[in-house]
Amino acid sequence: DVKVTQSSRYLVKRTGEKVFLECVQDMDHENMFWYRQDPGLGLRLIYFSYDVKMKEKGDIPEGYSVSREKKERFSLILESASTNQTSMYLCASRSRTDQYTGELFFGEGSRLTVL
Amino acid sequence: AQRVTQPEKLLSVFKGAPVELKCNYSYSGSPELFWYVQYSRQRLQLLLRHISRESIKGFTADLNKGETSFHLKKPFAQEEDSAMYYCALSTSYGKLTFGQGTILTVHP
Repeated sequence: DVKVTQSSRYLVKRTGEKVFLECVQDMDHENMFWYRQDPGLGLRLIYFSYDVKMKEKGDIPEGYSVSREKKERFSLILESASTNQTSMYLCASRSRTDQYTGELFFGEGSRLTVL
Repeated sequence: AQRVTQPEKLLSVFKGAPVELKCNYSYSGSPELFWYVQYSRQRLQLLLRHISRESIKGFTADLNKGETSFHLKKPFAQEEDSAMYYCALSTSYGKLTFGQGTILTVHP
């Protein structure tokens, strides 16, 4: 069964803290994505990665960075968390062979609250 | 730039009534369209995609390139259809853009 696992379901951090959100997939997928989900705004793409050590900015990359050192793991980093980064973060993966028409497989999400 | 618009944040219907969730897109190339669904306490998952031209759980969606729309329809809504629905657009280089989402509530 396809599995995308986000290590932290709920996090509470303080303004200015560095935050790591981890995502691991066991499907040998090349493509991985980070979205944030906000009511009324839908899903907005932060960063995506076509393959190991590759990354592309999405629509809202400001304040975020990513790391993809291994194929199965895609990390989202908030260098200095701010209150406007309070959100639900969703990780997803997809096979490169289905890059255009393929299904994204999502994790359960990480709800981050920045105080 | 690509853009997906779902004009309705909330949609309420009664069980057995037809339902239509609207989706409009803008993209200069040839788009591939999808509908994703998130049921309560479940992860986001694919409902259907244009290229498959299939009906899933009684839902269908037709791509209208003239109107740049990909509306999701079901002739008889069921209570278990209550969920958040997202329309999404994929470009040829793999970027997937989502709309704002529509919360569908089907009343008994």
